[in-house]
Amino acid sequence: GAVVSQHPSWVICKSGTSVKIECRSLDFQATTMFWYRQFPKQSLMLMATSNEGSKATYEQGVEKDKFLINHASLTLSTLTVTSAHPEDSSFYICSALWPGGDIQYFGAGTRLSVL
Amino acid sequence: KNEVEQSPQNLTAQEGEFITINCSYSVGISALHWLQQHPGGGIVSLFMLSSGKKKHGRLIATINIQEKHSSLHITASHPRDSAVYICAVRRSGSRLTFGEGTQLTVNP
Repeated sequence: GAVVSQHPSWVICKSGTSVKIECRSLDFQATTMFWYRQFPKQSLMLMATSNEGSKATYEQGVEKDKFLINHASLTLSTLTVTSAHPEDSSFYICSALWPGGDIQYFGAGTRLSVL
Repeated sequence: KNEVEQSPQNLTAQEGEFITINCSYSVGISALHWLQQHPGGGIVSLFMLSSGKKKHGRLIATINIQEKHSSLHITASHPRDSAVYICAVRRSGSRLTFGEGTQLTVNP
């Protein structure tokens, strides 16, 4: 079964609204989680590394104020797309690092469509 | 040039065929991952390799650290194997760098 749960699996929203995506590690504590974005026919692009209890580390070109990441517990990280616009429409995937640091388990992804 | 390159980009096979997907990388790595992405988008981690060879069911993954090359083999392919297969390398730390993926279609 899944070891990382991501919710929702898809969301449609109006331009200007904010959308929150949750990523939960099931049955293990993940001090580090990753958020990725994937455009059609392209590979995953790392957006940010989320560390429990501290600020996320964002990749170059990713707007911190646009993509808010919170990792308040060892099993939950959230990504909030603020004031979403059509260009934010994409597939967002999280992963959680298994304790010990070798294996990443991926969520099922969230397909965001901004109208 | 991408740090991780996969070939082929697209692969169509008949059910039962032996399939090989290749991954070459240009940087020093601590580990290499093979991932499977289903049509719905969900990703499953298939293998993590730092040397040698691993086998799981009909899947075999090999890595040659000196040549900076890895292969993923699927024996007796089946339509349910149709997916995108992604090679990802881990350098220092826990960040992964991804290849662009290989779209595999297995026809009945």
